[in-house]
Amino acid sequence: DGGITQSPKYLFRKEGQNVTLSCEQNLNHDAMYWYRQDPGQGLRLIYYSQIVNDFQKGDIAEGYSVSREKKESFPLTVTSAQKNPTAFYLCASSISGGEHYEQYFGPGTRLTVT
Amino acid sequence: AQSVTQLDSHVSVSEGTPVLLRCNYSSSYSPSLFWYVQHPNKGLQLLLKYTSAATLVKGINGFEAEFKKSETSFHLTKPSVHMSDAAEYFCVVIGGATNKLIFGTGTLLAVQP
Repeated sequence: DGGITQSPKYLFRKEGQNVTLSCEQNLNHDAMYWYRQDPGQGLRLIYYSQIVNDFQKGDIAEGYSVSREKKESFPLTVTSAQKNPTAFYLCASSISGGEHYEQYFGPGTRLTVT
Repeated sequence: AQSVTQLDSHVSVSEGTPVLLRCNYSSSYSPSLFWYVQHPNKGLQLLLKYTSAATLVKGINGFEAEFKKSETSFHLTKPSVHMSDAAEYFCVVIGGATNKLIFGTGTLLAVQP
């Protein structure tokens, strides 16, 4: 089955630690995205990548980093510089960065930092 | 700049009755619009999309939406809801060449038995 996988589903970390969230897709999509979801705020774009070895900051990139070394993978690192990291993180992909292509979402990772 | 406004944060209906979830958009050019559904602690699933073809768009699970340019609206409807439709619904507009999705704040649909 084609799709997007995110692991783990739940993640707990202590404040001050970096943590990496996994996102893998086997849809052969060029573009991948990371969003953060907080209650009552919809989804906000953290980073996106339209092609391997290239990525751009979204609206709330501070305290996050990404890499795109392979087409299938787009891991997100939440660094200790992110002031409010507890949230639900969603990864998505689309065929390309073109305007009419919908995005397909993974099941999400819920990160709790204490 | 493009934006989308979901007019109701919560909607509650009885099972078997129709539902209307409202969405208004703002766009400086012809937009692509989507409705996504999210069940608790799950990812988002595409319900339907409008990309400048037919203005009445049919989606999965009996949902449909009508694009009305004169009203800048893209409201989602279903004639008879099921308990399984209880979820959060997001109206989304695509912004520019980056394929950046601009999300509404969501409408939480509760279905009463």
